Amino acid sequence: SQKIEQNSEALNIQEGKTATLTCNYTNYSPAYLQWYRQDPGRGPVFLLLIRENEKEKRKERLKVTFDTTLKQSLFHITASQPADSATYLCALDLWNTDKLIFGTGTRLQVFP
Amino acid sequence: DAGVIQSPRHEVTEMGQEVTLRCKPISGHDYLFWYRQTMMRGLELLIYFNNNVPIDDSGMPEDRFSAKMPNASFSTLKIQPSEPRDSAVYFCASSLALGQGNMPQHFGDGTRLSIL
Repeated sequence: SQKIEQNSEALNIQEGKTATLTCNYTNYSPAYLQWYRQDPGRGPVFLLLIRENEKEKRKERLKVTFDTTLKQSLFHITASQPADSATYLCALDLWNTDKLIFGTGTRLQVFP
Repeated sequence: DAGVIQSPRHEVTEMGQEVTLRCKPISGHDYLFWYRQTMMRGLELLIYFNNNVPIDDSGMPEDRFSAKMPNASFSTLKIQPSEPRDSAVYFCASSLALGQGNMPQHFGDGTRLSIL
């Protein structure tokens, strides 16, 4: 069956450390993968997009990797801050479709 | 720029009542998506439109759900009759037309629906 898995348990890290979130998928062949941030009571907000032929993408303190062999994407936040605390969602963008398939998200808590 | 606007933000109603959720997408966006989010199932796509035309409604749970987009600046999602299991947060999102890569989706802040 097709699945997108993100760690359902919250990730707790100390301010200043690097947070690494994982997105694994099975039985999908995505053309792109997107990451979103969601704060309580708000809609998801787009952060980064990576194409299937890209290994890595960076934006300020954010870095995303995409390994189509392992069927995995890693999302890194360096020098994390309490303001980075939120739920992070990965979404698969499949070939020949207009829609995204979302993972269930991982909640990140950065404490001082 | 105004983002995606949804109304109402909260809706509490009794089982069996009709519920109408509203969405105003970002001006100029060609795609509009309706999602439902629950703790158990995460964010699920219900239906999406391209240039006001419904393209894929395979995520609509059953005939009690319907969606319309009468023009480029307005869409509704209707549940009739509503049931307690419909309780969730409903999001609307819009995006520009696809080019060489899929475009990011811009979400509203959702409607939190509670059916008693």
